[in-house]
Amino acid sequence: NAGVTQTPKFQVLKTGQSMTLQCAQDMNHNSMYWYRQDPGMGLRLIYYSASEGTTDKGEVPNGYNVSRLNKREFSLRLESAAPSQTSVYFCASSEAGTGTYEQYFGPGTRLTVT
Amino acid sequence: GEDVEQSLFLSVREGDSSVINCTYTDSSSTYLYWYKQEPGAGLQLLTYIFSNMDMKQDQRLTVLLNKKDKHLSLRIADTQTGDSAIYFCAERRPGINKFYFGSGTKLNVKP
Repeated sequence: NAGVTQTPKFQVLKTGQSMTLQCAQDMNHNSMYWYRQDPGMGLRLIYYSASEGTTDKGEVPNGYNVSRLNKREFSLRLESAAPSQTSVYFCASSEAGTGTYEQYFGPGTRLTVT
Repeated sequence: GEDVEQSLFLSVREGDSSVINCTYTDSSSTYLYWYKQEPGAGLQLLTYIFSNMDMKQDQRLTVLLNKKDKHLSLRIADTQTGDSAIYFCAERRPGINKFYFGSGTKLNVKP
C-alpha cells in the first residue's frame, strides 16, 4: 500500500517549457488535490477533483491545467512555465466516508523554473 | 490560504511545553486539523477536532478550540527534539471537501 505517489521528485525547467506532474493514489479515494507550498504562505490549493470526471479551480489556478485520468490518477500540467511557478507541489487525496476527511499527502515535487 | 493565520516560528527547550496557535476564518467549519511536516517530506495528520468539541487530548498532544474567537491551539507536552518540524493548522469548510491551510509554524526544539 504505497499511499500517494508523485513523480518526478525534482525538476528544473527553463521559462516557457512545459511539463506534467503525475500523482497516483491506491486508497480508492474519491477526492484528489494539487497544492503548492511557498515559504511563509503555507499550502495553497491549485485545483481539486471531488470525484472521477470532475475538476474545479482552487485559490491559484492560473498557469495550470489538470486531468483526472481515472479514480487513481490526477495530473497537473504547466503549459508554459514561469519563474513564479518555482515551488514545491503536493498532491493529496481524501475520502468523505472516513468520517474525519483526513488528507493523505504525497512526498512532493520540487520544481525550479529558471 | 485565505487567511488562516499562524505565527511563523516558535523555539522551545527540550522538555518544555510548546503551544502553537491558529486563527481560522469560517465559523461553520466542521473539522479543524493539525498536520506535521518534517524536512523534505509531505504533510501527515497529527490530530483533528470536530467543531462541537472544546478539547481533545491524545497522549502528549492537547487541542483546544474556541469557536467564538475562531481560535485553535496545539499544545505538545514534554517537547522532544524529534518534534522539530513545521506544524500546519487547516480547516474544512462545509459543503464541499475543501481545506484551507495556515502558513505553518516552524517549531525548533533546542536540546
